[in-house]
Amino acid sequence: QKEVEQNSGPLSVPEGAIASLNCTYSDRGSQSFFWYRQYSGKSPELIMSIYSNGDKEDGRFTAQLNKASQYVSLLIRDSQPSDSATYLCAVNGGVTGGGNKLTFGTGTQLKVEL
Amino acid sequence: DTAVSQTPKYLVTQMGNDKSIKCEQNLGHDTMYWYKQDSKKFLKIMFSYNNKELIINETVPNRFSPKSPDKAHLNLHINSLELGDSAVYFCASSQDRNSVYGYTFGSGTRLTVV
Repeated sequence: QKEVEQNSGPLSVPEGAIASLNCTYSDRGSQSFFWYRQYSGKSPELIMSIYSNGDKEDGRFTAQLNKASQYVSLLIRDSQPSDSATYLCAVNGGVTGGGNKLTFGTGTQLKVEL
Repeated sequence: DTAVSQTPKYLVTQMGNDKSIKCEQNLGHDTMYWYKQDSKKFLKIMFSYNNKELIINETVPNRFSPKSPDKAHLNLHINSLELGDSAVYFCASSQDRNSVYGYTFGSGTRLTVV
């Protein structure tokens, strides 16, 4: 079983719509959750972090966390073509040798169409 | 000033060669990481150093050897390169070993072994 699972997509949404990206994780002890955006040929960029159950909003982005269901999601409102990218879910867990690490999902490719 | 910088950005080399990738961060972070991203965009941790101490050492061929001369620098040396080593290698840093606030990534090094 993969530690962090995402639907690889592509997820296609029309411009102006809400894009909904989902992620599940296996480690119940995980405490910190992140969404990274990665444009083709570029490095991952942190766009949202969430630490407690519920919603966290930042501009057009809303992260949602449900620890009981081991589920984290990202909503992008008023999607723009510039939002087209791969979105990586990352979970802080898995203490290894005295340090924590981020475990990443395989990413969901989002395409926002005109 | 780039927060996490890697050199070189591109590296094309023949099988059997030895090569190094360098990483430097000016964020004052204590912890640095090497991740490998394969052709399917999956990011997998390789190593982590906290203030020059190796704290995460995942199952990686011993042809890969990291070195951290100080907490701002983390290098990766690869001996006897193989075709399967072709990937994008990302350096990242976090405030501390718990990576509660996530990572800042470097721009990546695209390694192609021919």
